Amino acid sequence: QSVLTQPPSVSGAPGQRVTISCTGSSSNLGAGYAVHWYQQLPGTAPKVLISGNNKRPSGVPDRFSGSKSGTSAFLAITGLQAEDEADYYCQSYDSSLSGSVFGGGTKLTVL
Amino acid sequence: QLQLQESGSGLVTPSQTLSLTCAVSGGSITSGVYSWSWIRQPPGKGLEWIGYMFDSGSTYYNPSLKSRVTISVDRSKNQFSLKLDSVTAADTAVYYCARGGRQLVPLFDYWGQGTLVTVSS
Repeated sequence: QSVLTQPPSVSGAPGQRVTISCTGSSSNLGAGYAVHWYQQLPGTAPKVLISGNNKRPSGVPDRFSGSKSGTSAFLAITGLQAEDEADYYCQSYDSSLSGSVFGGGTKLTVL
Repeated sequence: QLQLQESGSGLVTPSQTLSLTCAVSGGSITSGVYSWSWIRQPPGKGLEWIGYMFDSGSTYYNPSLKSRVTISVDRSKNQFSLKLDSVTAADTAVYYCARGGRQLVPLFDYWGQGTLVTVSS
């Protein structure tokens, strides 16, 4: 059971917008610690999608965006494409655990 | 281009020690700028941070694994290692090594391809 809670799955049709939430508490997101987002395609290592709450590394399409408010962070994907079908993870720091923590992951299905 | 490559035993007997090495190429592990992590993923499940080290040798471990984990560096070979003692079937996972920043929330920007370790007799 992760201290960062993500919905197990989300889905959307091509072209639609989906949002994935990452909900924490006062010892992690609520304390102001940054959140990073990773995309993991089947059988591959995770790849950085969003860093520092809302920064997109070069090469990541601007269809992906991140935001953070209070004890929650959000990953939004617009103009959904079949290639976006993957698992998505949020990551932050938890002061109670004194270490990095990942969300449980969200499986995105493109209908 | 930085590359990380995990190696080690793919099958470990219960109660024994899991040992893995991450060879780093295309950059120095002793640059002083980064942290070096181990992260694992049980089959069909999510990611779990195991721990990381800085090139100074300082280490930080997941509290849930701290009593069983050792991460160490071999500067001469530009690689770092993971040892996990007293393994059980619950330790069966794909193990990744990754480079991170030195921030409190390190960004894991380079990952190895991962290696599956199965704990079974």
